[in-house]
Amino acid sequence: EPEVTQTPSHQVTQMGQEVILRCVPISNHLYFYWYRQILGQKVEFLVSFYNNEISEKSEIFDDQFSVERPDGSNFTLKIRSTKLEDSAMYFCASKGDGQFYEQYFGPGTRLTVT
Amino acid sequence: AQSVTQLGSHVSVSEGALVLLRCNYSSSVPPYLFWYVQYPNQGLQLLLKYTSAATLVKGINGFEAEFKKSETSFHLTKPSAHMSDAAEYFCAVSEDSGGSNYKLTFGKGTLLTVNP
Repeated sequence: EPEVTQTPSHQVTQMGQEVILRCVPISNHLYFYWYRQILGQKVEFLVSFYNNEISEKSEIFDDQFSVERPDGSNFTLKIRSTKLEDSAMYFCASKGDGQFYEQYFGPGTRLTVT
Repeated sequence: AQSVTQLGSHVSVSEGALVLLRCNYSSSVPPYLFWYVQYPNQGLQLLLKYTSAATLVKGINGFEAEFKKSETSFHLTKPSAHMSDAAEYFCAVSEDSGGSNYKLTFGKGTLLTVNP
């Protein structure tokens, strides 16, 4: 069964460093998402991406964040200058075309900023 | 704006007992509703979804949920809990925020513990 994959599973970085989280969505999906879950809190929407551009972003997704689909298969989230409060589990999801399609989630990347 | 409230951050049941996890939603348009399950150290797996067809939705692993518009609820049930059901459960609502985006808004989650 097709699945969304994410790498790395755990990333430790120092405050102020740049990180890139990688995702490989399901191959025939057209909508891509990033969510995050700070420990003990709810899963929060960060950004959605369709047709090679951002379709919506939350207030969390400020100028420190960017997304890219560099090669037609990978979908990346970059944080330019990490802060302590960026420590969280980051989930990638993808969805097929059509309003009734559900989002399929990857296993997540745990980002720890020290 | 859409929102989800899950009553009870932790529910504990005995093996074989009824499982009831509560979810109430707020949405300005007819919503699409989902239950996801997260096992330890794993991603979110879809249990079931409501997309305006039948109000009683059956999902995987014996779970089902009933959409009640008058109560704005979408509670998750399972007649008989199994040890393998121990996990965290998230209710989510989705509505079209433009361009068929359908971002998900999640509740805070309910941790289900099953006692032998």
